[in-house]
Amino acid sequence: GIQVEQSPPDLILQEGANSTLRCNFSDSVNNLQWFHQNPWGQLINLFYIPSGTKQNGRLSATTVATERYSLLYISSSQTTDSGVYFCAVTTGANNLFFGTGTRLTVIP
Amino acid sequence: SAVISQKPSRDICQRGTSLTIQCQVDSQVTMMFWYRQQPGQSLTLIATANQGSEATYESGFVIDKFPISRPNLTFSTLTVSNMSPEDSSIYLCSEKPRRGMVYNEQFFGPGTRLTVL
Repeated sequence: GIQVEQSPPDLILQEGANSTLRCNFSDSVNNLQWFHQNPWGQLINLFYIPSGTKQNGRLSATTVATERYSLLYISSSQTTDSGVYFCAVTTGANNLFFGTGTRLTVIP
Repeated sequence: SAVISQKPSRDICQRGTSLTIQCQVDSQVTMMFWYRQQPGQSLTLIATANQGSEATYESGFVIDKFPISRPNLTFSTLTVSNMSPEDSSIYLCSEKPRRGMVYNEQFFGPGTRLTVL
């Protein structure tokens, strides 16, 4: 099956810093989503981005489907950004396959 | 977006017992899925819940252990049977509603945090 690898696995930032999270996938995908799992376990949809670039406030994402990767940018990080960030992809089937995750800790 | 509710939100159970988790979604034209997240791990798909027929299970998951029902378009249940401590996980219901002619973005419920003693 498809492999979805995320890097870095762990990231510690000072409040106000910027960061880039990466998602590499091993095969062609139909769809790609980024999620934030907060400390209470809730999965929050960040981006639905099978290709191109999108921005939402301090967050933006870029997917280059032909090169099989996606990037999530977080600018001016805040303590509320802490949690685990997952990318997930859909291939021919309709269900999402999740990446390995990046655990982000933002310290004041 | 989508509105998905799950209950219970958490439970502590004894080994050998069973727990049924309920999921209610707000869209009738939708696909429904059940995922498991073991402690410190990513999410793994258990099965696709099919309305009016048997669920489609992923490799490593069987109906006897995780029976799933979807009696109507907006409701599904997952039962974790004959539980052991290894079943301690977060179980998440998910839906992918149809927009126009296609299914695109997928959404997740708040999860059920299960601890088995």
